[in-house]
Amino acid sequence: EPEVTQTPSHQVTQMGQEVILRCVPISNHLYFYWYRQILGQKVEFLVSFYNNEISEKSEIFDDQFSVERPDGSNFTLKIRSTKLEDSAMYFCATTSTGAFNYGYTFGSGTRLTVV
Amino acid sequence: EDQVTQSPEALRLQEGESSSLNCSYTVSVLRGLFWYRQDPGKGPEFLFTLYSAGEEKEKERLKATLTKKESFLHITAPKPEDSATYLCAVWEDSNYQLIWGAGTKLIIKP
Repeated sequence: EPEVTQTPSHQVTQMGQEVILRCVPISNHLYFYWYRQILGQKVEFLVSFYNNEISEKSEIFDDQFSVERPDGSNFTLKIRSTKLEDSAMYFCATTSTGAFNYGYTFGSGTRLTVV
Repeated sequence: EDQVTQSPEALRLQEGESSSLNCSYTVSVLRGLFWYRQDPGKGPEFLFTLYSAGEEKEKERLKATLTKKESFLHITAPKPEDSATYLCAVWEDSNYQLIWGAGTKLIIKP
């Protein structure tokens, strides 16, 4: 069964450092998303991406965050200057046009720890 | 404000003991209500989408139902492998995003 692959699985970084989280979407999927889940809290939407541009973004997705598809396959989330409160699980999700019928396919996540 | 509330927070059952999980929601227009399963350290796994009141969907020991204000996930004769956190999410039109509940952690003891 096709999978969404995320790397790294766990990243520890110092406050103020830049991090890049990577995702390889399912090959025929067109819509890409980043979500985050702070330990013990709800899943939160960050951003959606379609046709090489941001479709929607939440209030969480401020100027410190950016996304891109640098090589047409990987989908990356960059946090420019990490804060302690950025510590969370970050999930990439992708879908074809049938998001409602088939749901989103999530990766296993990257656990980001900011120290 | 659009909201999704799940109850109970946690549920412990014996193997074979059937029960239900609740997801209540308030949105101006319901486009779709999703159920996901999440295992520890993993991303959510899609189970069902429900669109309108009265709709039901089944998958193995799980059945999801929908009313105008809430959805239930019924678990019949659960097995230990059904242990997971079950998440409910509602599609929110104005921002084209999912609004998630906090989940119900289900533990099935053999």
